[in-house]
Amino acid sequence: GIQVEQSPPDLILQEGANSTLRCNFSDSVNNLQWFHQNPWGQLINLFYIPSGTKQNGRLSATTVATERYSLLYISSSQTTDSGVYFCAAYTGTASKLTFGTGTRLQVTL
Amino acid sequence: DSGVTQTPKHLITATGQRVTLRCSPRSGDLSVYWYQQSLDQGLQFLIQYYNGEERAKGNILERFSAQQFPDLHSELNLSSLELGDSALYFCASSLSYTASEAFFGQGTRLTVV
Repeated sequence: GIQVEQSPPDLILQEGANSTLRCNFSDSVNNLQWFHQNPWGQLINLFYIPSGTKQNGRLSATTVATERYSLLYISSSQTTDSGVYFCAAYTGTASKLTFGTGTRLQVTL
Repeated sequence: DSGVTQTPKHLITATGQRVTLRCSPRSGDLSVYWYQQSLDQGLQFLIQYYNGEERAKGNILERFSAQQFPDLHSELNLSSLELGDSALYFCASSLSYTASEAFFGQGTRLTVV
């Protein structure tokens, strides 16, 4: 099945800083999603982005399908951005989202 | 609010017992997925149903079973519980069984004591 790797595993930022999270996947994808798991455990949809670029406020994501990676940009980080960020993908032959191991982000004052 | 409803939110039970977790998908979604998140295993796919039929199976133990009912809600049954079954169990739903965006419920936190 598809392999999904995320980097970095951990990230500590001061409030106001920018960051880039990376997701590499081993096969072409029909679905690529980014999620934020908040400290209460909820998985919140950020982007559905099998290809191209999308923006939502301070967050944006880019997927380069031909090179098998996706990037999540967080600008002007806030303490509420803390949590774990997951990317997840599946190929056309699979019926499940395969999750990466996540990037744990801590934003400090 | 994702539109996916899971009950209960928290569950504490003893080893050897059986529990049922319930999931109501978003309106219009036909596909339901179950995932387990434990501290050392990340998010692991358990099983998927599409319009009442089992579509895909992951690393689901034989002690666990699931089904999707005609009204499209789903239940995950966990039996002969062990301490290692303590985890956050998520349900997700999507319109179809591939390529469409998946939305997750808030999860059921199961603690086996």
